[in-house]
Formats: sequence, structure tokens, C-alpha cells
Amino acid sequence: LAKTTQPISMDSYEGQEVNITCSHNNIATNDYITWYQQFPSQGPRFIIQGYKTKVTNEVASLFIPADRKSSTLSLPRVSLSDTAVYYCLVGDGGNTGKLIFGQGTTLQVKP
Amino acid sequence: ETGVTQTPRHLVMGMTNKKSLKCEQHLGHNAMYWYKQSAKKPLELMFVYNFKEQTENNSVPSRFSPECPNSSHLFLHLHTLQPEDSALYLCASSQGGADEQFFGPGTRLTVL
Repeated sequence: LAKTTQPISMDSYEGQEVNITCSHNNIATNDYITWYQQFPSQGPRFIIQGYKTKVTNEVASLFIPADRKSSTLSLPRVSLSDTAVYYCLVGDGGNTGKLIFGQGTTLQVKP
Repeated sequence: ETGVTQTPRHLVMGMTNKKSLKCEQHLGHNAMYWYKQSAKKPLELMFVYNFKEQTENNSVPSRFSPECPNSSHLFLHLHTLQPEDSALYLCASSQGGADEQFFGPGTRLTVL
């Protein structure tokens, strides 16, 4: 499974747009890019998934360049409740259901 | 009750005890997973079950024994654990493959 690299932490203020970039240089042709959010002492929650170009849902947008070696999660107008750890995962082209979580990015939203 | 539930939510056990963690999903999913999350560490995948068959064992010590009697239930049997096994144990389910995984609230395990 492809390794991902993302910033350990980020700070933002309420109302700002936050962009978290993830590098995945060894992504396989049939791998998907998935982002999860985790609050302390809770299980992760799915945010968004994409394969290429741009995906948008009611929570976030995911931008994937043509070479797919990186991706950017965009959170519009964050609030204090968006303070959490955000994980970028790459897989599961083999349909194994195997997810490998990295360290994630701890986002701290300040008032 | 909907979603993925886990019991107990908290568990304290001695190294000689035997206990079991239970996970139940009400989503009609075919795949279930056990993860371990130690303090300030990423989640570690432990086991994957697809259609009740174990398809992944991520080099987990034998003191952790999973059981999947049907697609809705998943157990993790624990025996002779070590203090370093103290962690948050998370269960998840999905339709399989790359589909979104739904996580339960976890069991906070402390081994004395």
C-alpha cells in the first residue's frame, strides 16, 4: 500500500478555509484516495473519497492533480468543532479493505 | 440501534484475566475490522473479515483471538495480555474493498 505524507499539525481560525495536502508518490493505478476525521477517544469518520480531479460533498472538497501523486483536502469556513485529526489514506485497489493509517494532521481551529 | 456498537466501552483487566470485546453492526455490511490505537499513535489494523472469513491478520500476537460468527458480529477474545496492550480498540464495518468504513466508538482497554 502506498505511503502517505502529510503535515503533523496545522492551526487555523474560525471562518477560514483550510487546505491539507497529502503526498502519495507511490500511488497505484487502481488506488483510491480517502480522508477520515477523528475526534479524541472516538473512531474515525469518513469525510471524502476520490480517484482523480475534484470531488465535492457537503463537508469538504478533494483536489487531485493529474499525476495523482498528491491530494488536497479543503475544508471551507472551519469552526471550532472541526478541531480534529485528519488522515489521508491511499488504497484499496486490491479491494482487500485494508486501510493503513499514518500519523494524520492535527488541525487546531482557534476562535 | 443503528451503526456500529461496541461493548464494553471501558475495560480494566489483569494480565491473567480472559475477557472479550464485542462489536455489532446494523448496516448490512459484509466486512468487519479490528483496529488498535495506542496513545499518540496511528490506528493499526489488526484483523479483517469478509463474509465471516478472516482475510487479514496483521501479525497480531496470539493473545488476541478474533471470532466472527456472522456478518453482523465480531469478537476479540483477550487472554494473558501485557500492559503495553492498553489502548483504544476500534471496530469498523464496510461493504468491503475501498468502500467507506464505519467505526464504532471503541473500547478503552487498560491492562494492569
